[in-house]
Amino acid sequence: EPEVTQTPSHQVTQMGQEVILRCVPISNHLYFYWYRQILGQKVEFLVSFYNNEISEKSEIFDDQFSVERPDGSNFTLKIRSTKLEDSAMYFCASRGDLISNQPQHFGDGTRLSIL
Amino acid sequence: GDSVTQMEGPVTLSEEAFLTINCTYTATGYPSLFWYVQYPGEGLQLLLKATKADDKGSNKGFEATYRKETTSFHLEKGSVQVSDSAVYFCALSLNNNDMRFGAGTRLTVKP
Repeated sequence: EPEVTQTPSHQVTQMGQEVILRCVPISNHLYFYWYRQILGQKVEFLVSFYNNEISEKSEIFDDQFSVERPDGSNFTLKIRSTKLEDSAMYFCASRGDLISNQPQHFGDGTRLSIL
Repeated sequence: GDSVTQMEGPVTLSEEAFLTINCTYTATGYPSLFWYVQYPGEGLQLLLKATKADDKGSNKGFEATYRKETTSFHLEKGSVQVSDSAVYFCALSLNNNDMRFGAGTRLTVKP
């Protein structure tokens, strides 16, 4: 069964540095998402992306964050000038279409640790 | 705003016990409802879903019924196994776009 894959599985970064989290969505999917889960807390929506642009974003997704689909297969989340509170598990998800009530398929996540 | 509230854990059961994890939602429209499961060290996996009132989602012995009158989507399983130990997340999606998750309920099943 096709999967959403995320790399790396664990990223350790110094505070203030930039980090890029990578995701390869399922190949024929059209809608892409990033979520965040701070340790012990709920999964929070960050951003959705369709047709090469952001379709929706939460209040968490401020100017520090950006997303990109650089080559038709990867979907990246960039965090500039990381802060300690950015430490979390970041999940990528993708969906085929919105019409047929297909669920979102999630990757295994990238654990981001900011030191 | 749209949100999901689910039963706080952790929940600890013996093997073959009956499981209920409560989930209620608040939404301005008619959401689709989901249960996701997160096994230790893994990502979120869809367990079951329901897209309209009175639908019942089921998978791997788990069931949940979309109850519009009580705005609930409680997860149930008649006989849990050790392998069911995981964190369970209730979630809703409006307009089939972003998902709103509950806080998660950690289930531990002991032999």
